[in-house]
Amino acid sequence: QSALTQPASVSESPGQSITISCTGTSTDIGAYNYVSWYQQHPGKAPKLMIYDVSNRPSGISNRFSGSKSGNAASLTISGLQAEDEADYYCSSYTSSGTLVFGGGTKLTVL
Amino acid sequence: EVQLLESGGGLVQPGGSLRLSCVASGFTFSNYGISWVRQAPGRGLEWVSTFSGTGGGTNYADSVKGRFTISRDNSKNTVYLQMNSLRAEDTAVFYCAKAVRDNHPTFDIWGQGTLVTVSS
Repeated sequence: QSALTQPASVSESPGQSITISCTGTSTDIGAYNYVSWYQQHPGKAPKLMIYDVSNRPSGISNRFSGSKSGNAASLTISGLQAEDEADYYCSSYTSSGTLVFGGGTKLTVL
Repeated sequence: EVQLLESGGGLVQPGGSLRLSCVASGFTFSNYGISWVRQAPGRGLEWVSTFSGTGGGTNYADSVKGRFTISRDNSKNTVYLQMNSLRAEDTAVFYCAKAVRDNHPTFDIWGQGTLVTVSS
């Protein structure tokens, strides 16, 4: 199972919005609504930000939103803040009963 | 407080074995799937294995199938990962993670990680 495809890095200014893409195939993202997004700060464990494509866990800011179209998913962060600077990973369940992550995207808040 | 705590990491020679443990607290352990996810130094996340809560099934990434074995002891709120025939490319921080519900493939609680280094 190949990793999902994410841009290696993105950057934007505080207060702006940014969208991170995650591209898979018809056997993972395209087949299930089990797309999740995780935020990871350096040296820390990942933190769940979005699950089931667009659901936010309790305590996650509504500045974070997710969507899916076909074999691709995306995470949008609005009103960027300095604390949003981190690595972001998408994940999807697959038709093999396994889980696949994206390669990760480093977000820089300029 | 819902918590996961890994232990058992360390330095091991290529071809060697290691057993990781993940002790859970703060939730009804037997109801939730628990997974292992690893992260090689400077690299991304890689799912390794899952032990389902209800149903008790297991699954493995192709990269570890036949070498790693996941197990759980619900009486001890603990999941284990037995790692045999270790290779240099298995060097990583290993996290255990709890399913957001039942056997859902999303993780809402993660441990702090334990480092496994495979080197001679």
